[in-house]
Amino acid sequence: QSALTQPASVSGSPGQSITISCTGTSSDVGSYNLVSWYQQHPGKAPKLMIYEGSKRPSGVSNRFSGSKSGNTASLTISGLQAEDEADYYCCSYAGSSSVVFGGGTKLTVL
Amino acid sequence: EVQLVESGGGLVQPGRSLRLSCAASGFTFDDYAMHWVRQAPGKGLEWVSGISWNSGSIGYADSVKGRFTISRDNAKNSLYLQMNSLRAEDTALYYCAKDMGSWLLPAFDIWGQGTMVTVSS
Repeated sequence: QSALTQPASVSGSPGQSITISCTGTSSDVGSYNLVSWYQQHPGKAPKLMIYEGSKRPSGVSNRFSGSKSGNTASLTISGLQAEDEADYYCCSYAGSSSVVFGGGTKLTVL
Repeated sequence: EVQLVESGGGLVQPGRSLRLSCAASGFTFDDYAMHWVRQAPGKGLEWVSGISWNSGSIGYADSVKGRFTISRDNAKNSLYLQMNSLRAEDTALYYCAKDMGSWLLPAFDIWGQGTMVTVSS
């Protein structure tokens, strides 16, 4: 159960698009289409943004999208807004009833 | 209103035990898998344990395996985490989280506000 690898930080200007990568292995991200993404603002509980790789829960903006290629999943945020500034975490099923998170990425909106 | 409320956290000495509880309301508890996720101060999220709707599938992080036990009581709409042999590195805010699926998807769509566990002498 090694943590998934995410960049420590990413940044972008309002209106731009950014992508956060999440690299796992053939035992987790690569084997299952069960990656989810979470947004966490300081002092708040995480919020589900994407599940099953690319599905958006009701109420989540369509500016958020997810994809996967091989052992790497990605979260793309288009039309960046100031309120998107937060920490983002990926998460994957890892087999045998286990789950693993990424280390988290701090998004700064310039 | 869909809600998860954790309780049972506190200050505990290394080697001692603590039992966390999570009370669920506003949804059909026994339709969904449930999880515990923790976050050490200033650190990232760490999955601790998950349990399917009928307790038939249970998983633990390697860091807690053999020390922590997850359980649920569907009649009481409650989730539990029995934590034994606590260590300083278990110090964290412990969140209860609802899965969107009956089994371990994992897609945590509802989170509680967390209960703080501090392990220190």
